[in-house]
Amino acid sequence: NAGVTQTPKFQVLKTGQSMTLQCAQDMNHEYMSWYRQDPGMGLRLIHYSVGAGITDQGEVPNGYNVSRSTTEDFPLRLLSAAPSQTSVYFCASSYATVRVNSPLHFGNGTRLTVT
Amino acid sequence: GQQVMQIPQYQHVQEGEDFTTYCNSSTTLSNIQWYKQRPGGHPVFLIQLVKSGEVKKQKRLTFQFGEAKKNSSLHITATQTTDVGTYFCAAPWGSQGNLIFGKGTKLSVKP
Repeated sequence: NAGVTQTPKFQVLKTGQSMTLQCAQDMNHEYMSWYRQDPGMGLRLIHYSVGAGITDQGEVPNGYNVSRSTTEDFPLRLLSAAPSQTSVYFCASSYATVRVNSPLHFGNGTRLTVT
Repeated sequence: GQQVMQIPQYQHVQEGEDFTTYCNSSTTLSNIQWYKQRPGGHPVFLIQLVKSGEVKKQKRLTFQFGEAKKNSSLHITATQTTDVGTYFCAAPWGSQGNLIFGKGTKLSVKP
């Protein structure tokens, strides 16, 4: 049971480049989300999905797109990378939203640097 | 929007000393979760508190939810070097109940 798998672990981009951060979970979780973590800022929600075909914006969605074509996969796309997007990105999933008391399971993270 | 304020931001302790981190909200919370992130790692769920005044213990860790469900604390008794990391509180926000995280308390333990 792999849990939540994120790829790549590290990535360096030049300003203006695009890329996709991959996230997959094998726990049949309905809820998936992306957070970014910056020093002193904690974890901030970028986008989330409550099920296949459903996505919505979190606290800091600008510059990012997501899609949820299957229950397992929730990729995060950077459309035109900017230095302000240098961060550590975490994908997380849960059985349901926290209103029904489900803890988040996090992937190992992707460390992204934009130069 | 809802915020959960967490203090202190940093805490340096000698091994064997106690440690406490506090989480406060201006609004009543339906529940609160606590996570631990080891250096270089990812957040790992520790516990969830739901009831007013609830107290839960995990070995040397004691978690408390305030009577008004607006604050919570995590207390570690007799810290060990294995306790090093950042501790986050998190609470549901909005109609979908997405977790909003506090900024975390980074604990360092001097042997």
